Amino acid sequence: DAGITQSPRHKVTETGTPVTLRCHQTENHRYMYWYRQDPGHGLRLIHYSYGVKDTDKGEVSDGYSVSRSKTEDFLLTLESATSSQTSVYFCAISESDRVGYEQYFGPGTRLTVT
Amino acid sequence: AQKVTQAQTEISVVEKEDVTLDCVYETRDTTYYLFWYKQPPSGELVFLIRRNSFDEQNEISGRYSWNFQKSTSSFNFTITASQVVDSAVYFCALSDPAKAGTASKLTFGTGTRLQVTL
Repeated sequence: DAGITQSPRHKVTETGTPVTLRCHQTENHRYMYWYRQDPGHGLRLIHYSYGVKDTDKGEVSDGYSVSRSKTEDFLLTLESATSSQTSVYFCAISESDRVGYEQYFGPGTRLTVT
Repeated sequence: AQKVTQAQTEISVVEKEDVTLDCVYETRDTTYYLFWYKQPPSGELVFLIRRNSFDEQNEISGRYSWNFQKSTSSFNFTITASQVVDSAVYFCALSDPAKAGTASKLTFGTGTRLQVTL
């Protein structure tokens, strides 16, 4: 199994509060991704990183920011959480940017915004 | 724009039945990869297979087989003699070539929930 951990695994927070989710990998892979999973939508890409301090937006980036100060950690921040951000968040890593390399996923974080 | 359609939202079968999960994709790229992932009730996402756009040979792995047909833009997944442990949500995904200096990304379908009962 790929060495990917996510913290926290579960979180309940109130509308308007900031929230940071952490993804940590021990594989030394350059590429990291944040997805959210919602019923009827599958997985949708929020942000991704192609190196330390190199990040870009995905399909559903509004309301989210990311940071990557070292290879092993990729942080996802909800600046002011809203109920629409209640979801399961998955981090993924990939060894290469070349098309065809699979992504390996972390265990997920279930976030509830009340 | 890339798109993956999994029209079957939920399928229920009795153990030992064969079941096929459909995946139809849209892309303008000539080079691409298709993937299948499994999400069991425990919630993790497990990589099953990838197939590149130049290889239309069917693949078999135990009770699992995959049929890739470029002419119909489909990449279907068949489980032979299904078992209760096959109960999961299955996702089909399509990669796009990375822009120079960035990263390749995946577009996922909405998933098919397979329920296998005794």
